[in-house]
Amino acid sequence: QKEVEQNSGPLSVPEGAIASLNCTYSDRGSQSFFWYRQYSGKSPELIMFIYSNGDKEDGRFTAQLNKASQYVSLLIRDSQPSDSATYLCAVRVGGEYGNKLVFGAGTILRVKS
Amino acid sequence: ETGVTQSPTHLIKTRGQQVTLRCSSQSGHNTVSWYQQALGQGPQFIFQYYREEENGRGNFPPRFSGLQFPNYSSELNVNALELDDSALYLCASSWAGPYNEQFFGPGTRLTVL
Repeated sequence: QKEVEQNSGPLSVPEGAIASLNCTYSDRGSQSFFWYRQYSGKSPELIMFIYSNGDKEDGRFTAQLNKASQYVSLLIRDSQPSDSATYLCAVRVGGEYGNKLVFGAGTILRVKS
Repeated sequence: ETGVTQSPTHLIKTRGQQVTLRCSSQSGHNTVSWYQQALGQGPQFIFQYYREEENGRGNFPPRFSGLQFPNYSSELNVNALELDDSALYLCASSWAGPYNEQFFGPGTRLTVL
């Protein structure tokens, strides 16, 4: 089992729809979870982080965390063509002060106008 | 606030050569992590530097080595380059602490021929 798993996609949604991206992780001790957006040929950009169970909202983005199910998701409301990118889920491993981020392979999102 | 910078942007080397990549951390950050990203994959953790010492290492051979300087900038050195070392090398800076939000530089694209 991979440490962090994501559906590779591509996930295609129409402009204005909600895009739902999912991620599961294997380390039960993980405390911190991150979503990065990566445009083709560019480096990853941190868009959301979440540490507590439940939802965290920031503009059009909502991160959801369920530690019991070891599941993290990212919702993008009112999707725009500019949201088309690869979305990387990352989990900090190694306990409370763990120093390593483990990434999934990423989900490709395509927003069609 | 100055973001993370990396140099060079692109590099072409031949098998067996050595390479040094450089990274300047974001102002206010004291920790630098290095990642390797192969095409179509998520970033893989190489190692992290904190207070000029290696603070965790991923599954990479000893020919991958690094340094951190008193101003928190860092170098990644790779000896005896192999074809499989061709990848995007990413530097991420953060403030050491329980949450460890990491911010990436633009990356160095290394091609080994």
